[in-house]
Amino acid sequence: DGGITQSPKYLFRKEGQNVTLSCEQNLNHDAMYWYRQDPGQGLRLIYYSQIVNDFQKGDIAEGYSVSREKKESFPLTVTSAQKNPTAFYLCASSIASRRFNTEAFFGQGTRLTVV
Amino acid sequence: GDSVTQMEGPVTLSEEAFLTINCTYTATGYPSLFWYVQYPGEGLQLLLKATKADDKGSNKGFEATYRKETTSFHLEKGSVQVSDSAVYFCALSDSDTGRRALTFGSGTRLQVQP
Repeated sequence: DGGITQSPKYLFRKEGQNVTLSCEQNLNHDAMYWYRQDPGQGLRLIYYSQIVNDFQKGDIAEGYSVSREKKESFPLTVTSAQKNPTAFYLCASSIASRRFNTEAFFGQGTRLTVV
Repeated sequence: GDSVTQMEGPVTLSEEAFLTINCTYTATGYPSLFWYVQYPGEGLQLLLKATKADDKGSNKGFEATYRKETTSFHLEKGSVQVSDSAVYFCALSDSDTGRRALTFGSGTRLQVQP
């Protein structure tokens, strides 16, 4: 089945450590996104990528980094510079159209907890 | 910049009650509008969408009409079920901003009691 796979589902990190969240899609989408969700809040955009080897900062990029070396993969690294990393992280993908506004498809999320 | 405002929750209803969740937006260009649903511990699923004024999106008994004159996209369902309990997000996509990522409202939690 086509879809977006995020791993792991649950992740625990010690303070001061970097951690990488995986996101893989087999929908042949050009665009991929990372969002952060905090309890009782909406989704905030961290980074997005419209094409391989290119990505842009979203609204809350500080303390995060990404890479887009393959069309199918868009890993997110939460660095030690992120002061409050405990959250639910969602990856999404969509068709990258210049003319049309398209919906995004989401993975099942990774819940990151700093211990 | 673009923004989405939706009514705060939680919204608590009895089974078979009528549901309305309000959503209004501001956008630079001519956005497409979406409703997503999130069940506990899961990602977001697209519920319905509308791409131009007066379009009505519908799915699983839910409906929403794109009202450009009032910049609104309210979600409605005639008779809710316990299984509809979830968090509902209104969102827009606006290619005029050059970003194309979805902008989300804060979400509205719906609780349906038997």
